[in-house]
Formats: sequence, C-alpha cells, structure tokens
Amino acid sequence: DSGVTQTPKHLITATGQRVTLRCSPRSGDLSVYWYQQSLDQGLQFLIHYYNGEERAKGNILERFSAQQFPDLHSELNLSSLELGDSALYFCASSVDRGPGETQYFGPGTRLLVL
Amino acid sequence: DQQVKQNSPSLSVQEGRISILNCDYTNSMFDYFLWYKKYPAEGPTFLISISSIKDKNEDGRFTVFLNKSAKHLSLHIVPSQPGDSAVYFCAASVGSSNTGKLIFGQGTTLQVKP
Repeated sequence: DSGVTQTPKHLITATGQRVTLRCSPRSGDLSVYWYQQSLDQGLQFLIHYYNGEERAKGNILERFSAQQFPDLHSELNLSSLELGDSALYFCASSVDRGPGETQYFGPGTRLLVL
Repeated sequence: DQQVKQNSPSLSVQEGRISILNCDYTNSMFDYFLWYKKYPAEGPTFLISISSIKDKNEDGRFTVFLNKSAKHLSLHIVPSQPGDSAVYFCAASVGSSNTGKLIFGQGTTLQVKP
C-alpha cells in the first residue's frame, strides 16, 4: 500500500459526459501528479500540482482540468468525454516538487467511456 | 516523440537466472532515472533510481546501470524470482526543472518461469 488513495476504482460513463477523479496523497506529501495510461501505452504525464499551485502541464487536453485543494487532495475533471478517453488514470504524490523525488502511485481509476 | 524507449515489449527468463531490462533515452537534459514495477490492477511501485552523476546503483537483487554517452540504462535482477513477473517501466526527469514530472517508457513485461 503506497498510502495514495484514488476514487473511484472503476468508472463507466457515456460519451459527452463529465467525470471527476479524486486523489488523496500520502500524509505529508505536497506534490500530486496525474498520469494517463491508455491501452498498450506507457504512462503519459498530464499535470503536476505542488501545495495548491500548478507546476507543470503535459499534453493535457483542454477538456481536462485539475486542481489541488487546501487539504492537498486533488481532483481531475474530464469533460465532453470521448471514446478515446478510456484509460487508466493514476495519481502519484511526492514530498517535494523537484526531480529525483520518488513518486508514490495510487491504484488508479479505470475509466471506460461507452 | 518518444523520449524514453523500451524496445523490448517482453522478456522471459528462468527462475534463478539474470533478467536484464533495457531503456534508451534521447533527451540529454534528463538527470534522474527511475524504474517502476507494475502488477495488474495495481499502481506502479518504485524500485530503484539513479542520478546522472553515477553509473551504477544497487539495491539488493536490483542494480541499475547508466551509460550517459550511449543514453542507455539497464536494470539487472539477480537472481530472478517468479514474483518478479510484472511490467517494468523506466522513467526519467530533468534535473534542472522545477517539476519532478516523469517521462515513462512503454514498459517491458517480464515473465520469470519457475
């Protein structure tokens, strides 16, 4: 158990809908990272938040947004969902914001868009 | 643009023998390299890391070698055990960056046969 929790574990929805994925980092960790793993793909970096502020963005679609709240949990919002958004979404947390820090991953949310 | 590549999608070895997983990268700005292991239905788990100032890092049965001139790293597992069967991802981050975002390879599925 990494100490990172993600809810829900599974999500099935329809095209055009909007969903929210939630992540609680390990106690004491200030950074939250979101990654997407599509079928047969490696993990793709989406966005990084540190202590409530956005630090970096990857190839995140404009339909996707995220935020980190004062209690440090984070939410990833996916809207106008398309079939291609079906994927595993992982969040990871680390103590600080810099490179070289070990990131601890949650179990992921499996999203299926029908 | 695949900056981190794992060219072998799969590897099969006999229990007790050495497993060697390879990873190549193209971005010379990468300063930190990490290996993660992933079991089905779980998030990636950190295994071992190396910074670019080293060429080798060892932790128990796991050793990572870095060849900066060739932009190549490898993970050696000795001896391999059936419980090591999983997908292995290498990942890299830029040391001078203000974010620890990870760039992942596609993964190599290791099967260790009893």
